[in-house]
Amino acid sequence: DSGVTQTPKHLITATGQRVTLRCSPRSGDLSVYWYQQSLDQGLQFLIQYYNGEERAKGNILERFSAQQFPDLHSELNLSSLELGDSALYFCASSVEYNEQFFGPGTRLTVL
Amino acid sequence: KNEVEQSPQNLTAQEGEFITINCSYSVGISALHWLQQHPGGGIVSLFMLSSGKKKHGRLIATINIQEKHSSLHITASHPRDSAVYICAVRFFYGGSQGNLIFGKGTKLSVKP
Repeated sequence: DSGVTQTPKHLITATGQRVTLRCSPRSGDLSVYWYQQSLDQGLQFLIQYYNGEERAKGNILERFSAQQFPDLHSELNLSSLELGDSALYFCASSVEYNEQFFGPGTRLTVL
Repeated sequence: KNEVEQSPQNLTAQEGEFITINCSYSVGISALHWLQQHPGGGIVSLFMLSSGKKKHGRLIATINIQEKHSSLHITASHPRDSAVYICAVRFFYGGSQGNLIFGKGTKLSVKP
């Protein structure tokens, strides 16, 4: 158990819909990262938050957004969903740029 | 272009064999991570390296900064080591730290 929690574990939805994925980091970790893992692209960095502020952005679509709240939990919002958004979404947390601890992931299926 | 290359892509071994997975990258890095992804999907961080060698149980990770290469070794392999092993690096961008770039992973299957 990494200490990072993600909900929900599975999510099935339809094209055009909007979903919210939630992540709670390990106690004491200020950095939260979001990653997408699809079959054809592998793991890709989406976005990083540090203590409530956006720190870095990767290959995140404009339809996707994220935020980190004062209690340090983070949410990833995916809107206008397309079939190609089906993937595993991982959250990870760390202390600064140290070792990252991954959550169990949310498996998103868009039908 | 900053790239991370892993080899082999797939690896089948007999229980007890010594296993090596390789990772090469293109430019200077601040750190390299080895991750293990179980068949169920969960990802576990094995090592974070910026130089030298680290050991944890039967796992050993080494990095050669000059050659831009890292290896993950598994001694006395066991079927429970069957997983995908992923190399990820953090490149330097203009003096500041970049984000993790991932290799495509090495799928290891250890037969009893």
